[in-house]
Amino acid sequence: EPEVTQTPSHQVTQMGQEVILRCVPISNHLYFYWYRQILGQKVEFLVSFYNNEISEKSEIFDDQFSVERPDGSNFTLKIRSTKLEDSAMYFCASSALAGDPYNEQFFGPGTRLTVL
Amino acid sequence: GEDVEQSLFLSVREGDSSVINCTYTDSSSTYLYWYKQEPGAGLQLLTYIFSNMDMKQDQRLTVLLNKKDKHLSLRIADTQTGDSAIYFCAERASGTYKYIFGTGTRLKVLA
Repeated sequence: EPEVTQTPSHQVTQMGQEVILRCVPISNHLYFYWYRQILGQKVEFLVSFYNNEISEKSEIFDDQFSVERPDGSNFTLKIRSTKLEDSAMYFCASSALAGDPYNEQFFGPGTRLTVL
Repeated sequence: GEDVEQSLFLSVREGDSSVINCTYTDSSSTYLYWYKQEPGAGLQLLTYIFSNMDMKQDQRLTVLLNKKDKHLSLRIADTQTGDSAIYFCAERASGTYKYIFGTGTRLKVLA
């Protein structure tokens, strides 16, 4: 069964460093998403991406964040200069369609980012 | 603003029914979802319900929606140890891509 994969499973970085979190969405999907979950808090929407541009973003997704689909398979989230409060589990998701009522988003297992 | 609330923990005995509750604030919520997360895995869609429905049944799962109170519940019949996981309620308004999630309810099934 196709699935969304994410690498690495755990990333440790120093404050101020840049990190890139990688995701491989399901191959025929067209819509891509990033969410994050700070420990003990809710899963929060960050951004959605379609046709090589951001469709929607939350207020969390500020200038420190960027997304890219550098080739036909990967979808990346870059945090330019990490802060302690960026420590969280980051989930990538993809969906085939956005306009249909169902719009199941398929989630990856997450990357745990720890900023020291 | 939009908010989704869930209780954090639920413990039940194997064979009993589990009821996981969720409340939401956004009256424009059109689609409501239940996701399951097992350790080390991503969020897996269990079931969903449209806001024009009151109930949906899918094998052991029953979803009840009270639109007036903005209350959603997931009932798992004959709960098994394999049902132990975190269950997330999520809502999505028409015209938006983003899901608004609750904190998740950790279900522990005791043998």
